[in-house]
Amino acid sequence: QKEVEQNSGPLSVPEGAIASLNCTYSDRGSQSFFWYRQYSGKSPELIMSIYSNGDKEDGRFTAQLNKASQYVSLLIRDSQPSDSATYLCAVRKGAQKLVFGQGTRLTINP
Amino acid sequence: GAVVSQHPSRVICKSGTSVKIECRSLDFQATTMFWYRQFPKQSLMLMATSNEGSKATYEQGVEKDKFLINHASLTLSTLTVTSAHPEDSSFYICSARGTDGGALEQYFGPGTRLTVT
Repeated sequence: QKEVEQNSGPLSVPEGAIASLNCTYSDRGSQSFFWYRQYSGKSPELIMSIYSNGDKEDGRFTAQLNKASQYVSLLIRDSQPSDSATYLCAVRKGAQKLVFGQGTRLTINP
Repeated sequence: GAVVSQHPSRVICKSGTSVKIECRSLDFQATTMFWYRQFPKQSLMLMATSNEGSKATYEQGVEKDKFLINHASLTLSTLTVTSAHPEDSSFYICSARGTDGGALEQYFGPGTRLTVT
């Protein structure tokens, strides 16, 4: 079992709709979770971090964490073509290391 | 804030030569820097973790004598790919974690695309 798993996609969503990205992790003791966005040929950009169960909202983005189910998700409301990218879920392992999922490729269709 | 730069952004070198990549935190002090490698259509793979003033910790399977990492100051870490071969061609990305306010997030540099001919 991979430490961090994501559906690689591609996930296609019409413009204006809600895009839902999911991630599961294997280490029940994990405490810190991150979502990064990566455009083709570019490095990852931090979108959200979440540390507590529940929802965390930032603009059009909402991160959801359920530690009991070992599940973290990212919702993107009012999806725009510029949101088309690969989204990487990362979980902190130990004090410093981040373990990344394989990423979900999201395409927003105009 | 939290800007990380890398230089060069692209480099082409001949097989057998060495290449140095610099990673700088521009507006914060980074006690810890990380070096990743990413092959096409794959996720990031951590190569090593470096703490300022101490030796880097390499991930399993990463040759420390081939990928030399130096983290001599709180704002600069370097990765030297020695005796590069075509299979070392990849996208190398550094990230930095600061100490200001106990920040837990890692911020990534723009990456360096290495092509070995």
